Amino acid sequence: LAKTTQPISMDSYEGQEVNITCSHNNIATNDYITWYQQFPSQGPRFIIQGYKTKVTNEVASLFIPADRKSSTLSLPRVSLSDTAVYYCLASGAGSYQLTFGKGTKLSVIP
Amino acid sequence: DVKVTQSSRYLVKRTGEKVFLECVQDMDHENMFWYRQDPGLGLRLIYFSYDVKMKEKGDIPEGYSVSREKKERFSLILESASTNQTSMYLCASGVPGQTYEQYFGPGTRLTVT
Repeated sequence: LAKTTQPISMDSYEGQEVNITCSHNNIATNDYITWYQQFPSQGPRFIIQGYKTKVTNEVASLFIPADRKSSTLSLPRVSLSDTAVYYCLASGAGSYQLTFGKGTKLSVIP
Repeated sequence: DVKVTQSSRYLVKRTGEKVFLECVQDMDHENMFWYRQDPGLGLRLIYFSYDVKMKEKGDIPEGYSVSREKKERFSLILESASTNQTSMYLCASGVPGQTYEQYFGPGTRLTVT
């Protein structure tokens, strides 16, 4: 079973910042939080990964509070091309397995 | 950029046929994975391999087998295809110790009639 819970869907207008929250109350101390993006008819694509506090790359930011019971993926100024399913995963660094949940379907509206 | 390619984007097979799905990666990754993706069920791990000739069962290995004779190539085999194996099959590769970052191929949509 997936260790994470996230909203099924979200809508946003173009140009807005989108925050997708993921709950993970019982992750292990060695679990990392990872986010993937998947467009229709394509494989998932790694976006960002973090353990604690804030991580930022050219695509997104990831905020993980000290208690690590939740995390937030932030997408700045979304465009129509950001319409996709976003998956939040928790996995141990030494584990081979990624467990994908149902993800959040983000729809960006013009 | 890492490139993971899969032998077919679309495949139609008959019940009982033996089906081979092939995956090739060009980044010298030790780890390779096979998933299937179904609506409402998300991605589920079928098998993975952490080295040539090594394999481990994932969550749903029944009805499937795998082969890894070369580091860059990981094959998924359906010994006798059934209609409940109609699905999108995704291959991925990754680096040991960084399993959270996997690189996926474009997928093969298999239909078994």
